[in-house]
Amino acid sequence: RKEVEQDPGPFNVPEGATVAFNCTYSNSASQSFFWYRQDCRKEPKLLMSVYSSGNEDGRFTAQLNRASQYISLLIRDSKLSDSATYLCVVRRSNTGNQFYFGTGTSLTVIP
Amino acid sequence: NAGVTQTPKFRVLKTGQSMTLLCAQDMNHEYMYWYRQDPGMGLRLIHYSVGEGTTAKGEVPDGYNVSRLKKQNFLLGLESAAPSQTSVYFCASSYSTGTNQPQHFGDGTRLSIL
Repeated sequence: RKEVEQDPGPFNVPEGATVAFNCTYSNSASQSFFWYRQDCRKEPKLLMSVYSSGNEDGRFTAQLNRASQYISLLIRDSKLSDSATYLCVVRRSNTGNQFYFGTGTSLTVIP
Repeated sequence: NAGVTQTPKFRVLKTGQSMTLLCAQDMNHEYMYWYRQDPGMGLRLIHYSVGEGTTAKGEVPDGYNVSRLKKQNFLLGLESAAPSQTSVYFCASSYSTGTNQPQHFGDGTRLSIL
């Protein structure tokens, strides 16, 4: 089983739509959780950390469910500039604090 | 505010040539990483380092060597380049511990082996 699993998509949504991405992780020792954004042929960039109580940054909301080992990202009022691949990342303490990346979910926002 | 800097940005090699990719970070991070990313695939960890003078193998280490002589630098070497090593290479760094301390990435090196 992969350490981090994501639906690869692609998700094609109209401007202004709300879209949700899901991610599951396999190891309960995972301690830190992140969503990264990667544009085509560019480096991954941190979008937001995911806190246990859930957190929001403008149009983006992240949720964590430790019991189900599940992370989500909600994007409201999608913009054309949101088109990218979204990577779910976990950091696990019992492997020397290593990071584990999902393969990403592709989003295209259509005019 | 440099962050993580990779050099070179682009390179074309012939099969059998050698080269070194340089990664430098100015954030005093303990951990540094080298990844490769191929079309349609996720990031794959090549080697990483948890501190100056230490390195470890990742998921796909064959054909690569690394060195971490200084805390701020992490070098990736290809001794005898092969076409299968054509890829985009990303370096990243992070603090060793701390909740919600993310990885920071360089902007990549695009390497083609002919």
